[in-house]
Amino acid sequence: DAKTTQPTSMDCAEGRAANLPCNHSTISGNEYVYWYRQIHSQGPQYIIHGLKNNETNEMASLIITEDRKSSTLILPHATLRDTAVYYCIVSHAGNTGKLIFGQGTTLQVKP
Amino acid sequence: GAVVSQHPSRVICKSGTSVKIECRSLDFQATTMFWYRQFPKQSLMLMATSNEGSKATYEQGVEKDKFLINHASLTLSTLTVTSAHPEDSSFYICSAPRDTQAKTQYFGPGTRLLVL
Repeated sequence: DAKTTQPTSMDCAEGRAANLPCNHSTISGNEYVYWYRQIHSQGPQYIIHGLKNNETNEMASLIITEDRKSSTLILPHATLRDTAVYYCIVSHAGNTGKLIFGQGTTLQVKP
Repeated sequence: GAVVSQHPSRVICKSGTSVKIECRSLDFQATTMFWYRQFPKQSLMLMATSNEGSKATYEQGVEKDKFLINHASLTLSTLTVTSAHPEDSSFYICSAPRDTQAKTQYFGPGTRLLVL
């Protein structure tokens, strides 16, 4: 699985968009980008994933650059409940299901 | 609502005793489940893959005789920490695939183990 690089921490004002970057310059053609988040003392929560096209769901949007070497997770209107550690994981799809977590980005949403 | 549950949510035990943690998939079947461990201020570390009806697959450095995994049914996997010591105190989390896209997973709420 390709290595990812994320900023250690970010702040965002409540109600504003939170844009969380992830670099994955060694991503291969059949590897997906997955985003999870972990609110303090809880299990992680799946947010979104994508291969090459931008994706949107009820939680967030995922923007993947054309060369696929980086991506951005966008929370359009951050709330205090979005304060969490956000993990970007690059991995092959498939039935092994193994997820290798890096250190992630701690997002602090401030009032 | 929660689709993967864990029991207990927290447990305190004496050094040398064994502790069993249950992970259940609710309303769906999971032939594979995963166990993670997380120390304070650190990321999740994958411990093992639990396979229904067969032996678990352990990650490098994880002692299979210390962390016993049983996946006896399509909705239940158990992790038993044998002869627990204070250094085993941690947050243990399980997960199960949401669908055929196995990397999108449901995680349990976690079990906090404190060994005195």
